[in-house]
Order: sequence, then structure tokens, then C-alpha cells
Amino acid sequence: ELKVEQNPLFLSMQEGKNYTIYCNYSTTSDRLYWYRQDPGKSLESLFVLLSNGAVKQEGRLMASLDTKARLSTLHITAAVHDLSATYFCAVDNYAGNMLTFGGGTRLMVKP
Amino acid sequence: DTEVTQTPKHLVMGMTNKKSLKCEQHMGHRAMYWYKQKAKKPPELMFVYSYEKLSINESVPSRFSPECPNSSLLNLHLHALQPEDSALYLCASSQDRSSYNSPLHFGNGTRLTVT
Repeated sequence: ELKVEQNPLFLSMQEGKNYTIYCNYSTTSDRLYWYRQDPGKSLESLFVLLSNGAVKQEGRLMASLDTKARLSTLHITAAVHDLSATYFCAVDNYAGNMLTFGGGTRLMVKP
Repeated sequence: DTEVTQTPKHLVMGMTNKKSLKCEQHMGHRAMYWYKQKAKKPPELMFVYSYEKLSINESVPSRFSPECPNSSLLNLHLHALQPEDSALYLCASSQDRSSYNSPLHFGNGTRLTVT
């Protein structure tokens, strides 16, 4: 059974600071996704990571994938308040878009 | 704004009621999904339709009955629900189940409360 663990589950940080969210998964996969969810809202796709060593960046967010370590990271650079949300990683275990989600990281960026 | 539209946005129903949740997408996607999300928890997969056929049922109780009338529409029929079924129900779609670089596109969800 595929298990996906994120840490931390809650992160409070000051604007301008950097931080990294970690996503570990238990079985082989080379398809990992990062989503953002604002309170009461839907999930917004941020990144699709499809191979070992994949790195993608969008604004202040950068995601990477290490399939050998079964680890993905979401790095936040110079955080701003607008980044406050819950971030989920999700892994596809070769079953055809059957995603298993991590527990989510609730990020609060304080002015 | 999302390209996957769900109605209603909110639904309150009694345990003896019958109601339906609706989902629509016009992106030409051939895979559609129902997820259930409890408060402060990640989404959990319920059903997957691929080319209008049910391909995955994640051991969901029979009081939840999915239907895919055509490639653009997905319904979830609800009957005799329990209070613990109260949750956010999310519909999603993707190009198909096997396409790489095809993330799921989620709707805004239906917030369901069972009284």
C-alpha cells in the first residue's frame, strides 16, 4: 500500500523567509504532483514532476523529485502572505492517475 | 476560476433524503473522478470513470452511487447518508488515466452536511 507523508503538517513563517516542505512516499513512483488549496476552495495544480531529478519553478516556489530517495521537496523562497494555503503532494503509483495524497502542509505567512 | 464545474456548492440533507451532486467539464477529458475530503484532511479517492465506464470503486458504501451519462458529466447520487458522510466532495478530470503530464483538474467542490 502506498503511503505518502508530508512534513511539517503546519508551518508558520515570517514574510521574506525561506523554508522547505518535504514529501516522502513508500513505493516506487516517478509521477508526483503538488497542489495548493485555499480555505474552502478547490485544489490548484502547481507542479507535475515526472522523472528523477526533475526540478520545476514558478515564482517563489520550486519543486524537486528524487525517485531513488522517494522524496520530493517544495521550497519557498522569500515567502509572502499570498502563499498562505495548504499544500498537498500526491503520488501516482502506476495505477493510472489514482493519486494518494500526503496529509497536507498548512502554511501561514505572517507579515 | 476552475474549468470543472460542480453543483450545488452547498447541500444540507437529512438521512432519509435522496440528492445528487453534479459535475461538468468541457475540456475533452476522458477520465473523471470523485474525491471525498474531510476537514483538515487530504482528499480520498472514491470513484474513477474512464471513457464513461466505472473503472475504480474504492470500496465506497452503496449509499453513494456514481453515474457518468456522457463524457462531460459526472453525477454522484446520495441516499440514506450518515452524519459522518458530511464532507467536501470534489470532482476532478484528466485527459485520461494514462497520460503523463496530465494533472487532475479539480472542481470547487460541494460542501455536504448530513443532519
